[in-house]
Amino acid sequence: DMKVTQMPRYLIKRMGENVLLECGQDMSHETMYWYRQDPGLGLQLIYISYDVDSNSEGDIPKGYRVSRKKREHFSLILDSAKTNQTSVYFCASSLSPISNERLFFGHGTKLSVL
Amino acid sequence: GQQVQQSPASLVLQEGENAELQCNFSTSLNSMQWFYQRPEGSLVSLFYNPSGTKQSGRLTSTTVIKERRSSLHISSSQITDSGTYLCAPRGMGYKLTFGTGTSLLVDP
Repeated sequence: DMKVTQMPRYLIKRMGENVLLECGQDMSHETMYWYRQDPGLGLQLIYISYDVDSNSEGDIPKGYRVSRKKREHFSLILDSAKTNQTSVYFCASSLSPISNERLFFGHGTKLSVL
Repeated sequence: GQQVQQSPASLVLQEGENAELQCNFSTSLNSMQWFYQRPEGSLVSLFYNPSGTKQSGRLTSTTVIKERRSSLHISSSQITDSGTYLCAPRGMGYKLTFGTGTSLLVDP
């Protein structure tokens, strides 16, 4: 069953708190991504991971870090969350980033930072 | 970087009508993907192809690289087609650049 799973679905945090968003996939995909989606801006790439411990910054990495210790699992960490990090966060995976591979998305995590 | 423009921004159809959604991009293209975002937010890949025409049921994607455009044709629209359609061209690197989407509402 080809699936990308994100936890949690909804999260409310106070400014300054740490946030951990989890993502898992069951397709043994090499490549995983974290995006955020804001009204009027579309999906913006935060980080891309090519495999375990092989991560690269996307377009908007500031304020975020990631961790990938197992191929099937990719975490997004916000140290000391800010109100402008309120957004919907999507995790995605693909077999590889180079070829024309289909992207599979999770259902998203709606994060509110108060 | 890649600039992506989708049109129209929103569209209302009567059930059974056809729709043509446009995606224009600014730089050279390696592949094009179209996604459907359900009203509740989840994203589904519809098409991924470098150029030419692909059909899946009532949906047809046509990408013309030289003209830097892609279109998604929806025939005989249904209420369940309502949602947002996103195009995402990929240039010579690894990154997809997403458009802001066309919001489609199909009325009965």
